[in-house]
Amino acid sequence: EVQLVESGGGLVQPGGSLRLSCAASGFSFSSYWMSWVRQAPGKGLEWVANIKEDGSKKYYVDSVKGRFTISRDNAKNSLYLQMNSLRAEDTAVYYCASLPQHGSDYWGQGTLVTVSS
Amino acid sequence: QSVLTQPPSASGTPGQRVTISCSGSSSNIGRNNVNWYQQFPGTAPKLLIYSSDQRPSGVPDRFSGSKSGTSASLAISGLQSEDEADYYCLARDDSLGAWVFGGGTKLTV
Repeated sequence: EVQLVESGGGLVQPGGSLRLSCAASGFSFSSYWMSWVRQAPGKGLEWVANIKEDGSKKYYVDSVKGRFTISRDNAKNSLYLQMNSLRAEDTAVYYCASLPQHGSDYWGQGTLVTVSS
Repeated sequence: QSVLTQPPSASGTPGQRVTISCSGSSSNIGRNNVNWYQQFPGTAPKLLIYSSDQRPSGVPDRFSGSKSGTSASLAISGLQSEDEADYYCLARDDSLGAWVFGGGTKLTV
């Protein structure tokens, strides 16, 4: 059974930092590009960042460039998102996802990040 | 303001056919395949259509996708009450070097 399990969300003050983790199992994690997708309360889906299978390429949505860093550890089947200089508008449920590739599409259950004083 | 434009809402009665549009540009839909997701409140999105018109196993054939030029559509035939959900389109944007979602369409049955 494929599983993506996010962790690390919580309440953080504006300007603070948080590191999200995503533990993958049940599929060949190292063969997939992986993404983070977020959804602000009551809003639509927003792609945040992705990373190539071997970690050699990374892309970000403009609003998080310079503040967020995506990384992965294929030996641990894990994906990460380091979030610095957090703002109120970063408040959202953050999903770890493969997005469609190789005929598959995997998503985690999401972890809530709340940026508030 | 989303790069991909969807109507914010759509509606239909049981048994009807409804379509949801997704309008983009030459840098996204015009060059790349479109994917469609269904999302219920409090749950992760579920893939309905990939590569513009392909259905993953387990998705009923009531759901179909198409693409023409810089626009794509999701059609749902034989509408059922359980189809009431939010629907999102997704495509790669080569100019942005990023994935982009449509703003989402809330379907009411």
